[in-house]
Amino acid sequence: EVQLVQSGAEVKKPGESLKISCKGSGYSFTSYWIGWVRQMPGKGLEWMGIIYPGDSDTRYSPSFQGQVTISADKSISTAYLQWSSLKASDTAMYYCARQLAVAGRGDFDYWGQGTLVTVSS
Amino acid sequence: DIQMTQSPSTLSASVGDRVTITCRASQSISSWLAWYQQKPGKAPKLLIYKASSLESGVPSRFSGSGSGTEFTLTISSLQPDDFATYYCQQYNSYRRGTFGQGTKVEIK
Repeated sequence: EVQLVQSGAEVKKPGESLKISCKGSGYSFTSYWIGWVRQMPGKGLEWMGIIYPGDSDTRYSPSFQGQVTISADKSISTAYLQWSSLKASDTAMYYCARQLAVAGRGDFDYWGQGTLVTVSS
Repeated sequence: DIQMTQSPSTLSASVGDRVTITCRASQSISSWLAWYQQKPGKAPKLLIYKASSLESGVPSRFSGSGSGTEFTLTISSLQPDDFATYYCQQYNSYRRGTFGQGTKVEIK
């Protein structure tokens, strides 16, 4: 069974750093892209970026380039999303999701359960 | 960046109704479009990929069509389980994506 299991909810202060995780199982982790999607409270989905754990090829949305860092450790089938200095506006639910590594497929077929990040002083 | 515009933002419908949601891209995206369903407190669920391909396990009352810049998601006969928010998502040749703003399907 394909599963993406994300790390638990976080409460942080502005200016703090954070790294959340997404562990894949039930499939070949290095053969699929992993993406991150933000959903601010009561709002829609925002595409942040994706990584191919096989070679760490990473692509960001222009809106998130320089604001977050996406990485992966293929030895433990885990992808990460990190911030060096959180802002209150980073408060959101963050989802990881799997993307097939074939031409013409940029959709996300399996999703994690989400990680709620709250940034408040 | 390619912008995606969904309409309507909210749709009120009854069980058994035929429902159509539209998604327009700011430039041609060929057939590189997906549709998702999201219920409150849950992760999105893939319904349609490559504009018209039904994801495995998704009921056949869901269908997608379109190419270029205009796309539609149709629910042929709305069921109680279908009341949710629906999102389109484009993906380009560089694998960068964008979501539409969402369409909430409410009970009339």
